[in-house]
Amino acid sequence: GAVVSQHPSWVICKSGTSVKIECRSLDFQATTMFWYRQFPKQSLMLMATSNEGSKATYEQGVEKDKFLINHASLTLSTLTVTSAHPEDSSFYICSFLPTNQPQHFGDGTRLSIL
Amino acid sequence: DQQVKQNSPSLSVQEGRISILNCDYTNSMFDYFLWYKKYPAEGPTFLISISSIKDKNEDGRFTVFLNKSAKHLSLHIVPSQPGDSAVYFCAASGNAGNMLTFGGGTRLMVKP
Repeated sequence: GAVVSQHPSWVICKSGTSVKIECRSLDFQATTMFWYRQFPKQSLMLMATSNEGSKATYEQGVEKDKFLINHASLTLSTLTVTSAHPEDSSFYICSFLPTNQPQHFGDGTRLSIL
Repeated sequence: DQQVKQNSPSLSVQEGRISILNCDYTNSMFDYFLWYKKYPAEGPTFLISISSIKDKNEDGRFTVFLNKSAKHLSLHIVPSQPGDSAVYFCAASGNAGNMLTFGGGTRLMVKP
């Protein structure tokens, strides 16, 4: 149980492209979910916290206009990296927080901007 | 300022022996701690957690110890198996697992 599906798993695109990453919980619902970013050899860094139906809360230093989060339902959230540039290349991971359970993570999306 | 630190970036252990992964934290408001295991190109997988009201939690081969006075926790894996080879992250939260602060990870290699 507690499966989180994240797509795509790997994206390579040109600078200036907008990329959408989808995160879906398959067998549970959760009001709260999170988006993280991990640079090589570094830890997971929280980008934003999102509650279904509300605007996301972004961590300091994360541009809300660049990283658009849509959390329209209890099982689906998307992260859109707008006008991506090489410095946005990273590993992006979503997680859901079911009630009385630890966070459950997707498998991540490797984003490479050329 | 790193609030959660894993000072050993890597650890190598022989199969069958005990693996001990350490984690230190600085924020006294943290009251819930978790260990996650992560394989390359995959998301973290939850292993075990402990609340600050406890000092030990055990689940099969995995035991987490919490020393609140030292702000230190450790994960013991015994016996270690080659399939345990992965990166282990400790994480801490001030509100029962909601917002997590992760350590930098320790790469565990279990040799057959």
